[in-house]
Amino acid sequence: DIQVTQSPSSLSASVGDRVTITCRASQNIRSFLNWYQQKPGKAPKLLFYVASNLQRGVPSRFSGSGSGADFTLTISSLQPEDFATYYCQQTYTSPYTFGQGTKVEIK
Amino acid sequence: QVQLVQSGAEVKKPGASVKVSCKASGYTFTFYFMHWVRQAPGQRPEWMGWINPSTGATNYAQKFQGRVTVTRDTSISTAYMQLSRLGSDDTAVYYCARGIYGDYEDGDYWGQGTLVTVSS
Repeated sequence: DIQVTQSPSSLSASVGDRVTITCRASQNIRSFLNWYQQKPGKAPKLLFYVASNLQRGVPSRFSGSGSGADFTLTISSLQPEDFATYYCQQTYTSPYTFGQGTKVEIK
Repeated sequence: QVQLVQSGAEVKKPGASVKVSCKASGYTFTFYFMHWVRQAPGQRPEWMGWINPSTGATNYAQKFQGRVTVTRDTSISTAYMQLSRLGSDDTAVYYCARGIYGDYEDGDYWGQGTLVTVSS
């Protein structure tokens, strides 16, 4: 299976901060990477598909980039509703494995 | 509006089986693959498999091969996920989801989740 590793596992930030989360795959997955946001007790919500395609309805302060094995999710100006856990998922090959998550907490 | 409504929480003994349903509404059921994803408490999500509701074709994660069966009933726009030989590590919230692989442009939709607890 393709392993997907996120960093950091958690971070503390303030409203208005720029936040960057990275995701590294254990092999080249081209651009087949999704990003999700999950809040407690809720299902994940898709933010980006194929690395950089913003899902409809997602604010433009979110951006996704990368290809090959290294990917980045950036929030340009953190808002109160962005405090959540973020997951990346590779969809290059089955099983479509998720990273361990990055919890974004309020500083 | 698109909705995926799952069956209620289950408590099962080790070795038993569970069958979770996912009723779709607000769109043509046969037009979109349905996926199953589970999430154990405090853990990352885990993709289990998908079904093509139009043909019935399935694809399962190797980890669940032989234990999971995903089916559908197109007459009632419902997908099912059955997991057999349950162990304590199968305790998780199980989700059905649409639009999380390949058919992204029409949005992603998730069921509300079904908690399956495996306990003796």
